[in-house]
Amino acid sequence: GENVEQHPSTLSVQEGDSAVIKCTYSDSASNYFPWYKQELGKGPQLIIDIRSNVGEKKDQRIAVTLNKTAKHFSLHITETQPEDSAVYFCAASKVSGSQGNLIFGKGTKLSVKP
Amino acid sequence: SQTIHQWPATLVQPVGSPLSLECTVEGTSNPNLYWYRQAAGRGLQLLFYSVGIGQISSEVPQNLSASRPQDRQFILSSKKLLLSDSGFYLCAWRAGLVLETQYFGPGTRLLVL
Repeated sequence: GENVEQHPSTLSVQEGDSAVIKCTYSDSASNYFPWYKQELGKGPQLIIDIRSNVGEKKDQRIAVTLNKTAKHFSLHITETQPEDSAVYFCAASKVSGSQGNLIFGKGTKLSVKP
Repeated sequence: SQTIHQWPATLVQPVGSPLSLECTVEGTSNPNLYWYRQAAGRGLQLLFYSVGIGQISSEVPQNLSASRPQDRQFILSSKKLLLSDSGFYLCAWRAGLVLETQYFGPGTRLLVL
């Protein structure tokens, strides 16, 4: 089955710097890759996602890149702010019709120091 | 717009007691529904998912069970809680055949003592 590895497990950056979180997946048939942000005591919130027919997607300060050949995808946050501090999860899924469950990485705790 | 509710928000239960957590979705029909557990400081573990009323798939064998009595209602149950059942329980929904994205509820914090 699918396996998703996420690195690093913790990341500390200064406000204004960039943050990069990387994930690798094992199943080359996976075709959907979302990223979630989870604040303390809350449910994960989708922040960006990418499908296998696209190599890069950007939404304001957040971007995701996908390398299907190497089977890895990354989250890039630019101009980080203290409110970006949270746990970030990547996931991979082989979606076909109504089937396709998400396999999550173990999460990255991002701390943005003011 | 669609919203997902979970209750209770927090629950403290003794070992051996029963459990019932409820999840409801508004603003959509025939969603796929999911139950996840998140242990402290760890990732999300899929427990059950459902593609329709009465249809439950189990991902991890354990003393928990799930039911879907109505289209937009998903219930997680246990007859006898174990200490290891403590964690953060998350319900999620997906728009079935249409989109791949899963949306999570606010979660239920369960502490078994």
